[in-house]
Amino acid sequence: NAGVTQTPKFRVLKTGQSMTLLCAQDMNHEYMYWYRQDPGMGLRLIHYSVGEGTTAKGEVPDGYNVSRLKKQNFLLGLESAAPSQTSVYFCASRAAGTGVFSSYEQYFGPGTRLTVT
Amino acid sequence: AQSVTQLGSHVSVSEGALVLLRCNYSSSVPPYLFWYVQYPNQGLQLLLKYTSAATLVKGINGFEAEFKKSETSFHLTKPSAHMSDAAEYFCAVSDRAQKLVFGQGTRLTINP
Repeated sequence: NAGVTQTPKFRVLKTGQSMTLLCAQDMNHEYMYWYRQDPGMGLRLIHYSVGEGTTAKGEVPDGYNVSRLKKQNFLLGLESAAPSQTSVYFCASRAAGTGVFSSYEQYFGPGTRLTVT
Repeated sequence: AQSVTQLGSHVSVSEGALVLLRCNYSSSVPPYLFWYVQYPNQGLQLLLKYTSAATLVKGINGFEAEFKKSETSFHLTKPSAHMSDAAEYFCAVSDRAQKLVFGQGTRLTINP
């Protein structure tokens, strides 16, 4: 049981290049999230998904796209990378359910450190 | 809407001293609250969570937090700091739907 895994761990891009970050979870979770972490700003939600085939915008979606073609995978794409997208990216997942029987706890991957020059 | 404020971006304590990391929240619904820890170059790990049961919540590694509704606070404490506690700590509040809202984080340094 690997939990949440992210690929790659590190990446350096030149401005204007594109790339895709892959998140995979083996916990059969319905919900998946992409965050970016920048110094002094905590974690900010980029996009999220509440189930296979669904995606929604978070707090900072501009410049990113996502896809959830399979329940266990959540892809984050940068079509034309900019230096402002230099950050550490975290994927998370959680089980579905609301109310007293859900703890809303999210499980995090180890992160991808992206540098855009 | 939910929001979280962590007072102090950097806290430094001596080994063996009390650790107190402050978190205040704002929530339009009864909150579920979380503390996560992030060790260098790692992802976030859940320390403890409050889900409307006991107001004093015990977590891993000797940490605990007390939910105080009147003060809208959920401060994290540990009686005696250990060098291995050096990390960044994040407080988060759930919107009871799909999302968590995180505070800005507090970096804890332990002095020998």
